[in-house]
Amino acid sequence: DIQMTQSPSSLSASVGDRVTITCRASQSIDSYVNWYQQKPGKAPKFLIYAASNLQSGAPSRFSGSGSGTDFTLTISSLQPEDFATFYCQQSYTSPYTFGQGTKLEIK
Amino acid sequence: QLHLQESGPGLVKPSETLSLTCTVSGGSISSSSYYWGWIRQPPGKGLEWIGSIYHSGSTYYNPSLKSRVTASVDTSKNQVSLKVYSVTATDTAVYYCTRQAIGNYNWFDPWGQGTLVTVSS
Repeated sequence: DIQMTQSPSSLSASVGDRVTITCRASQSIDSYVNWYQQKPGKAPKFLIYAASNLQSGAPSRFSGSGSGTDFTLTISSLQPEDFATFYCQQSYTSPYTFGQGTKLEIK
Repeated sequence: QLHLQESGPGLVKPSETLSLTCTVSGGSISSSSYYWGWIRQPPGKGLEWIGSIYHSGSTYYNPSLKSRVTASVDTSKNQVSLKVYSVTATDTAVYYCTRQAIGNYNWFDPWGQGTLVTVSS
């Protein structure tokens, strides 16, 4: 199975900050990475597909980049509603696997 | 707007079978563009893909669970179902039903609200 490793596991930041979360794959997966946001007690919400394409309806302050083994999710200016846990997912091959999550907390 | 709703017992005894149903509204599960996936999340932990099913009944599963799971579809009811056999405490999780895009990028969207299943005697 392809392992997805996110860093950091948790992060404290303030409203207005620029934040970057990293996801590393255990082998090259081209740009087959999707990103999700999950708030406590809620289902994950789809944000980005194919590493850098914003899902329709997702705020433009979210962006993604990367290819091969290293990927990033960036939030350009944190808003109060962005505090949540973020997951990357590889869709290069089955079984589809997720990173362990990055919990973004308010400083 | 597509809506997915999982249902099933919240408590299952060890060694028994966990059975869940996902009812889809606002769209047809017979769409040629999508699979329907099951994903679970143990309390306080990350996400694990269980398996996916097409409206034709074609399935593929996570090898880690393949010997114990079966997904099925009922197009007349616009429902997909999941069975997990011989459950243990490690199967305790929130189980999500989700629509899965077909193609290279296989993203999951939208998701049902999830249903917590506890395995305990």
